[in-house]
Amino acid sequence: GAVVSQHPSRVICKSGTSVKIECRSLDFQATTMFWYRQFPKKSLMLMATSNEGSKATYEQGVEKDKFLINHASLTLSTLTVTSAHPEDSSFYICSARDRGPLNTEAFFGQGTRLTVV
Amino acid sequence: AQTVTQSQPEMSVQEAETVTLSCTYDTSESDYYLFWYKQPPSRQMILVIRQEAYKQQNATENRFSVNFQKAAKSFSLKISDSQLGDAAMYFCAYRSTGNQFYFGTGTSLTVIP
Repeated sequence: GAVVSQHPSRVICKSGTSVKIECRSLDFQATTMFWYRQFPKKSLMLMATSNEGSKATYEQGVEKDKFLINHASLTLSTLTVTSAHPEDSSFYICSARDRGPLNTEAFFGQGTRLTVV
Repeated sequence: AQTVTQSQPEMSVQEAETVTLSCTYDTSESDYYLFWYKQPPSRQMILVIRQEAYKQQNATENRFSVNFQKAAKSFSLKISDSQLGDAAMYFCAYRSTGNQFYFGTGTSLTVIP
């Protein structure tokens, strides 16, 4: 149980276009999902916290208009990178908290490697 | 904001030996959770072990155990009988009362056959 699926695993897009990344909790309901960015051989940097049915909370320095987050249901959150630029190229990871008995930990998706050319 | 520090960017251990990875954190909260996650080359984050701050007893999961020193804000991971499959990046993580997770910079563990 507690599986988080992230899609796509890899995406290449042209500068100026937008890319949407999906994060789904497959066998549990997640009232809260988190989005991270990870640079090569670096730690995970929390970008935003996504709460179902409400606006996401962004960490300091993260542009909310650049990284649009939608958490429309208890099993799905999306991250849209708008007007992508090469500096947005990175590895993006989502995680979700189970609102049930396992809610002390977060379960991670497989990550999405975004390359902007 | 909470900070998590891992002072060992790289560590190596001989197969079957024991290795300890260090982690310190800074917080003003009294109730929180600490975690160790493993990230193999596949990049999938895998939970290794979890510790509740209100529990004094150190968590143990098979070959993995922690040394949790709350007053010192220290949370080290001990891997016993190291196996080749243990080779990965290890991240220490702090979960705040606001439910955000904050990660250390990671320790790359190499297991030498």
